[in-house]
Amino acid sequence: DAGVIQSPRHEVTEMGQEVTLRCKPISGHNSLFWYRQTMMRGLELLIYFNNNVPIDDSGMPEDRFSAKMPNASFSTLKIQPSEPRDSAVYFCASSFMTGSSYEQYFGPGTRLTVT
Amino acid sequence: SQQGEEDPQALSIQEGENATMNCSYKTSINNLQWYRQNSGRGLVHLILIRSNEREKHSGRLRVTLDTSKKSSSLLITASRAADTASYFCATVPNTGTASKLTFGTGTRLQVTL
Repeated sequence: DAGVIQSPRHEVTEMGQEVTLRCKPISGHNSLFWYRQTMMRGLELLIYFNNNVPIDDSGMPEDRFSAKMPNASFSTLKIQPSEPRDSAVYFCASSFMTGSSYEQYFGPGTRLTVT
Repeated sequence: SQQGEEDPQALSIQEGENATMNCSYKTSINNLQWYRQNSGRGLVHLILIRSNEREKHSGRLRVTLDTSKKSSSLLITASRAADTASYFCATVPNTGTASKLTFGTGTRLQVTL
């Protein structure tokens, strides 16, 4: 398996622009997680899906952020409009969640810079 | 505040030495996991220890768990330069249902030749 695939790997955009990050989880996994990592705040869980349904979006910073999972093999995280403080590395992770003992497999991340 | 707090924040050792990192957490857990992150990469799962386990080994890794103190330690024996990375603990709460992982702040390990 190719692992979790994220695109783009790097994104540079201007403030106010819409940004869409994409993720393809590992085939057969039933859960997908979006994280944001910065030096100041560390690794933060933004939202996670189980069987394509959003379970916990309490980490989504504000209404500018939205995430979708239209099917088991694709998810998007959208920021509209983007702001400089959104600059971070965004990770997608997937897992086969059965019970509480599961490990997460992370993608390589998307480094977002908003100028 | 973070569920998991690693200690120390940074650690520098020489190749061949052992590295010990600690993690403290606040709530009752189902299991605790350790992950490694190389610079510019995603996190990689290393080992999982359940709340009813006290110690677990995997290659050069040894993890202990003390639920009475709400703490865990990760020992890397005979360290190598390739072990240079950040190490994170993550906890799954004991809620009876599958729940999200909560990651700590991480320990940056530097192994020099």
